[in-house]
Amino acid sequence: EAQVTQNPRYLITVTGKKLTVTCSQNMNHEYMSWYRQDPGLGLRQIYYSMNVEVTDKGDVPEGYKVSRKEKRNFPLILESPSPNQTSLYFCASSLSGRLIGETQYFGPGTRLLVL
Amino acid sequence: AQSVTQLGSHVSVSEGALVLLRCNYSSSVPPYLFWYVQYPNQGLQLLLKYTSAATLVKGINGFEAEFKKSETSFHLTKPSAHMSDAAEYFCAVSVRKGLAGNQFYFGTGTSLTVIP
Repeated sequence: EAQVTQNPRYLITVTGKKLTVTCSQNMNHEYMSWYRQDPGLGLRQIYYSMNVEVTDKGDVPEGYKVSRKEKRNFPLILESPSPNQTSLYFCASSLSGRLIGETQYFGPGTRLLVL
Repeated sequence: AQSVTQLGSHVSVSEGALVLLRCNYSSSVPPYLFWYVQYPNQGLQLLLKYTSAATLVKGINGFEAEFKKSETSFHLTKPSAHMSDAAEYFCAVSVRKGLAGNQFYFGTGTSLTVIP
């Protein structure tokens, strides 16, 4: 089954404790992206990647890091989480990121609480 | 600058009534518009998209949307609401940013409640 998977689905952590949220897709997509969803703000893009070793900032990249060492994986790293990063996070992928009107496919989400 | 505005963060309709969820966009380039649905505790699922072909776009589950350039709108409709339509709906615009590829901008979402 074609899908985007994220782990963990739920995470509670404390301020300053580094964490990684994994994202993997099995559709051989080149483009991958991370979003955060907050009430009243919709989804905002954190980082995206056009291909292996190619990443770029979205609208809200502060406090986050990403890496793209393999085509299928795109982990999101919070080096020193803070309470304002408490949010619902979505990973998404699409075929190339360049085709007009290309659809993004979303993972199930990771709910993060930073105390 | 590109943006999407969804009017009404909460919409309630009776079962069997018309569903109308509003979306207006702002784009300096030809937009490609999407509607996604998010069911509780799930990720986003594509309902339909407009990519400059027909202005009336039909999607899954009986939903459709009409692209109106003169009104910069892409409202989502369904003639008869079903209980299973209760969810959060997001309008999004995709624009090509040169070599940087496509960037998506999402609206703030509209929560649809269906009253039995």
